[in-house]
Amino acid sequence: AQKITQTQPGMFVQEKEAVTLDCTYDTSDPSYGLFWYKQPSSGEMIFLIYQGSYDQQNATEGRYSLNFQKARKSANLVISASQLGDSAMYFCAMRVHHQAGTALIFGKGTTLSVSS
Amino acid sequence: GAVVSQHPSWVICKSGTSVKIECRSLDFQATTMFWYRQFPKQSLMLMATSNEGSKATYEQGVEKDKFLINHASLTLSTLTVTSAHPEDSSFYICSARHPESSYNSPLHFGNGTRLTVT
Repeated sequence: AQKITQTQPGMFVQEKEAVTLDCTYDTSDPSYGLFWYKQPSSGEMIFLIYQGSYDQQNATEGRYSLNFQKARKSANLVISASQLGDSAMYFCAMRVHHQAGTALIFGKGTTLSVSS
Repeated sequence: GAVVSQHPSWVICKSGTSVKIECRSLDFQATTMFWYRQFPKQSLMLMATSNEGSKATYEQGVEKDKFLINHASLTLSTLTVTSAHPEDSSFYICSARHPESSYNSPLHFGNGTRLTVT
């Protein structure tokens, strides 16, 4: 079964510190894509970073980086130098083959709280 | 960048009435749109995949007669919650795939609709 697991319901970090949000996945597809989205309290989904299953290097986008460990089936998001505006819910997602083509399935999310 | 507009952003309706939510791709033609449902502080659950000009594909456990999806044009998909009940109160969010997107392209999401049924 294809599944995304986020085991941290909430994480707390101080400004300027780094934080790692955990994500593990399960799929039998040899080709898959992993995404991280940020959802502020307003509700919109903001795309942060992508990692492909065949990518040799870990993805990075500004303060966001992805610690991809394929053998462990984990794709943890690392946010460096946290800012107050980083407080939000963070979702790990996987693109999977689906009855109607491909679709994104999401983990349960992690609520990140950044304090000053 | 690609923009997906969702309307309304919030709606309150009485039990037994129907509510229509619109999802528009503003600057691209989306052959495929997705509808998700999210309860407070919980994950996004895929409800259905909407393909332009054909019937929507619903996920297991989603009542197709209750959640009517229409994708009549390449820029518009609608979700109608029929005979709404308080348990249908939720955050509904749509997303669209750009036709030129590759496997590693993210989906573009609308800003969501918060439905409250009284």
